[in-house]
Amino acid sequence: DQQVKQNSPSLSVQEGRISILNCDYTNSMFDYFLWYKKYPAEGPTFLISISSIKDKNEDGRFTVFLNKSAKHLSLHIVPSQPGDSAVYFCAVTNAGGTSYGKLTFGQGTILTVHP
Amino acid sequence: EAQVTQNPRYLITVTGKKLTVTCSQNMNHEYMSWYRQDPGLGLRQIYYSMNVEVTDKGDVPEGYKVSRKEKRNFPLILESPSPNQTSLYFCASSLSGTFLSNQPQHFGDGTRLSIL
Repeated sequence: DQQVKQNSPSLSVQEGRISILNCDYTNSMFDYFLWYKKYPAEGPTFLISISSIKDKNEDGRFTVFLNKSAKHLSLHIVPSQPGDSAVYFCAVTNAGGTSYGKLTFGQGTILTVHP
Repeated sequence: EAQVTQNPRYLITVTGKKLTVTCSQNMNHEYMSWYRQDPGLGLRQIYYSMNVEVTDKGDVPEGYKVSRKEKRNFPLILESPSPNQTSLYFCASSLSGTFLSNQPQHFGDGTRLSIL
């Protein structure tokens, strides 16, 4: 049973436009949420995160939004650039609970930004 | 250079032949973890270690063993590999297991295992 779902396997956007990647989770005990980016033949790299006490966190062109009541988070990239083309994974954890150290990932979304 | 090093990067082997994938980090991190990546399933955590001699099961530990005898190394052992363990494996480390933005996980470049 998938606790974290990224329902869009792929997303294609034009350079300069907004990219919105979505992620849904099922367990309300999750309290920390992360996004990772992965290029082919490389390991994932941390992009941005948000704690459950916030609903928005911004870092340059990247903003993560958290809607706890809907158990939904999203990553906005504005403006999108061709170099943003990669696989994006959301991940969730219960940092304050008994599953400290456990991290659950979504299936990933392939983002393609066209020049 | 701060890095997580996995070896081998590629391996093709046969069912039942024991193998070990090594993972080493040079950042003095306490936390280390193994993941596997499969199409349509994303990344799934196999085992993690909060510190030396402390290991815990992730979501898919069956068929795998780990050990953490020293801080820098966290080998993944497949005692009797089977074809369903064919996958892309990633090792990662971080200062702690909180995954906070100021203590992000650093991943190795991956090991592609094919079990025939």
